[in-house]
Amino acid sequence: QLQLQESGPGLVQPSETLSLTCDVSGDSITNSLYYWGWIRQPPGQGLEWIGNIYYNGDTYYNPSLRSRLTMSIDTSKNQYSLKLTSVTAADTAVYYCARLGYTSGWLFDPWGQGTLINVSS
Amino acid sequence: NFMLTQPHSVSESPGKTVTISCTGSGGDIASNYVQWYQQRPGSVPTNVICKDDQRPSGVPDRFSGSIDTSSNSASLTISGLKTEDEADYYCQSYDSRNPNWVFGGGTKLTVL
Repeated sequence: QLQLQESGPGLVQPSETLSLTCDVSGDSITNSLYYWGWIRQPPGQGLEWIGNIYYNGDTYYNPSLRSRLTMSIDTSKNQYSLKLTSVTAADTAVYYCARLGYTSGWLFDPWGQGTLINVSS
Repeated sequence: NFMLTQPHSVSESPGKTVTISCTGSGGDIASNYVQWYQQRPGSVPTNVICKDDQRPSGVPDRFSGSIDTSSNSASLTISGLKTEDEADYYCQSYDSRNPNWVFGGGTKLTVL
């Protein structure tokens, strides 16, 4: 059974860089049928797509975050990561990682449990 | 840019039927599939409709999805409402021109 687990610092200082990792178990991250995505949800608000990465390193970013965002993939560890620079309070959110399947019509499934990131001094 | 717009909230009584709309703008909603997710309070979103109108295994047949090209919108219909259906519902699709993955703003369903 595929499982995804996010890990991160919990608290990030304003203007610093947020780093998150998603560990994938139950399937190889090199499975060519899938992309690997990040989605976030500010407290009390809706879902926002952040970006996706393919096993070969191809990336797709939300235009609103592109200038601050870098995603990477480590196939040897079966994990992928996100770095978001110059964070502000507006980046406070629950961050989810999820598998994205194009054969399923671009469905995000399954999702990790999410990790709450608070940007505060 | 392609965007999806949902009503902020809907409410209905147990046993009734409710429909949640998801209207596309800046593109043709029928160009790519629409997915629907349910998010109960404090929980992770789960898929209730994929590929416009397909129900994943385990999702009750009370849930159905459709596309209306005339209004450029997708709809999620829940019949025989139960209190357990009370949740936030999000539509999601893909804009192949950019490419970009898009979520609607979410609809809070209250069953009272």
